[in-house]
Amino acid sequence: NAGVTQTPKFQVLKTGQSMTLQCAQDMNHNSMYWYRQDPGMGLRLIYYSASEGTTDKGEVPNGYNVSRLNKREFSLRLESAAPSQTSVYFCASSEHRVGETQYFGPGTRLLVL
Amino acid sequence: DQQVKQNSPSLSVQEGRISILNCDYTNSMFDYFLWYKKYPAEGPTFLISISSIKDKNEDGRFTVFLNKSAKHLSLHIVPSQPGDSAVYFCAASEWDSGGGADGLTFGKGTHLIIQP
Repeated sequence: NAGVTQTPKFQVLKTGQSMTLQCAQDMNHNSMYWYRQDPGMGLRLIYYSASEGTTDKGEVPNGYNVSRLNKREFSLRLESAAPSQTSVYFCASSEHRVGETQYFGPGTRLLVL
Repeated sequence: DQQVKQNSPSLSVQEGRISILNCDYTNSMFDYFLWYKKYPAEGPTFLISISSIKDKNEDGRFTVFLNKSAKHLSLHIVPSQPGDSAVYFCAASEWDSGGGADGLTFGKGTHLIIQP
């Protein structure tokens, strides 16, 4: 039981490049989330998926897109990376519904030059 | 406008003593509160939670207290151990009238340092 896994662990991009961050959970959870954490800041919600087939914007969605591929997987895409998107990205999941206890992956560190 | 505030960026406590981490919130609709612990280069780990219908929840060395009238919660760690040195995040959620919520709102975190 790996919990929440994220790939890659670290990535360097040039401004304007695109990439997809992958997230998978093996806990059979219904809801999944993407957060970003910047220095001195708490985690801020980018997008979430309350259940398979649904996605909704969070606090800071601009510049990102998401796909809930199936119940296990939730990906985050940066279509044209900007230096302001340099951050640590965390994926999380919760069992039944949005707003309850969430379990986090180890994070992806992204540097945009 | 920050809805969840942790006003102490860092806190230093001697090993064996009590650590008290504080959190204030402004949204009176929050009905579920959580504490997460985070080590460097790792994801946050769930520690303890409390529903708004309670004022205290205890789990081993960790106790969370909720004062709804003051919109304040605190995490007590007794006794503090070296492994408790980490960043602690307070988080809250609101279950709205539409039957849904939109994730957790986090504070900026408090770096707890346990000194031997």
